Amino acid sequence: DGGITQSPKYLFRKEGQNVTLSCEQNLNHDAMYWYRQDPGQGLRLIYYSQIVNDFQKGDIAEGYSVSREKKESFPLTVTSAQKNPTAFYLCASTDLWGQPQHFGDGTRLSIL
Amino acid sequence: AQSVAQPEDQVNVAEGNPLTVKCTYSVSGNPYLFWYVQYPNRGLQFLLKYITGDNLVKGSYGFEAEFNKSQTSFHLKKPSALVSDSALYFCAVRDDAGNNRKLIWGLGTSLAVNP
Repeated sequence: DGGITQSPKYLFRKEGQNVTLSCEQNLNHDAMYWYRQDPGQGLRLIYYSQIVNDFQKGDIAEGYSVSREKKESFPLTVTSAQKNPTAFYLCASTDLWGQPQHFGDGTRLSIL
Repeated sequence: AQSVAQPEDQVNVAEGNPLTVKCTYSVSGNPYLFWYVQYPNRGLQFLLKYITGDNLVKGSYGFEAEFNKSQTSFHLKKPSALVSDSALYFCAVRDDAGNNRKLIWGLGTSLAVNP
């Protein structure tokens, strides 16, 4: 079955450490997204990519970085510059404009 | 500015009763509207969308939504609520600013269906 796979499901970060969250899709979608979800704040867009080797900052990109070297993969790195990384991170993808986004099951990141 | 509002943080209904989760929007062009549901520690699941056509849109799990252009609303409804409908519901609208395929999200409404 086609879908989006996020890994790991749970991740712990030490002080000063960079961590990378994986997002892989086999839906052949062009566009991919990373969201951060905090209680009561809905979904906030971190980065998005509409095509391979291109990506744009979302509303809260500071302290995060991404790459899009392959169509199916859009990893997110949470850098040590992100001082409050504890959140639920969601990856999504879509193909045609106006079509719904498909979501992975998220990665929950906590600080040790 | 384009925006989506879900005016209720939480909605409580009894099982078997009809439910409504409210959403209002503000966009510059024609709205593309979506409803999603999220269960605990899971990703969002698409329920239904409105792009054009009939104002009453039918979606997954018996949900439907009514598009009202004059009131700029897109309320989610279900005739008879189930305990298993208890979840977090999000309304979203397409961002018309440029060709960027982004969605603007509401803050979510927590639905509790009581047995």
